[in-house]
Amino acid sequence: KQEVTQIPAALSVPEGENLVLNCSFTDSAIYNLQWFRQDPGKGLTSLLLIQSSQREQTSGRLNASLDKSSGRSTLYIAASQPGDSATYLCASDQTGANNLFFGTGTRLTVIP
Amino acid sequence: DAMVIQNPRYQVTQFGKPVTLSCSQTLNHNVMYWYQQKSSQAPKLLFHYYDKDFNNEADTPDNFQSRRPNTSFCFLDIRSPGLGDAAMYLCATSRAGQGGETQYFGPGTRLLVL
Repeated sequence: KQEVTQIPAALSVPEGENLVLNCSFTDSAIYNLQWFRQDPGKGLTSLLLIQSSQREQTSGRLNASLDKSSGRSTLYIAASQPGDSATYLCASDQTGANNLFFGTGTRLTVIP
Repeated sequence: DAMVIQNPRYQVTQFGKPVTLSCSQTLNHNVMYWYQQKSSQAPKLLFHYYDKDFNNEADTPDNFQSRRPNTSFCFLDIRSPGLGDAAMYLCATSRAGQGGETQYFGPGTRLLVL
């Protein structure tokens, strides 16, 4: 069964800093890898989706990469802002049916 | 605005007393999902509907049931809530596709079991 791990569990950075969030998964037979944002007490917002055939996806200040062979994905956030403070979760789709296995997330705090 | 709505946002129930959580969507998506997220844990898929076809995850307890009377609404029924069922319950929707469809989440219902 797929296991998705995100380390560290929490991260604090000063405003303006570039940062990288890590996601690792045990089963490389994935259809896609997705990154979500979750604000406290709220639902999830989809940020980026990388198909298994892709290496990276970009949206604004966010860039996600995927290395299936090593079972890793990273989310790069450029020029961090206090509004980026949230928990970031990655999830893998194993079957193509959009049944996602989530990691426990990295809680990011951007300090003004 | 098209969205996924969950009611109530907070639900308190008693140990063993059946409870129903509701989800509605204005996105006209074929697929609806229910996730359970316990404190500081990853969301865990309970089941999903592809149109009217119900798909249960293998490890979802029998205590959890779901109904989808039409495209817009989906309900999560917990027949006999235990203390371990206290969690945030998240509803999500997506278009039908061959993988890679974005899921849109509601704000969640936080369930407390006394």
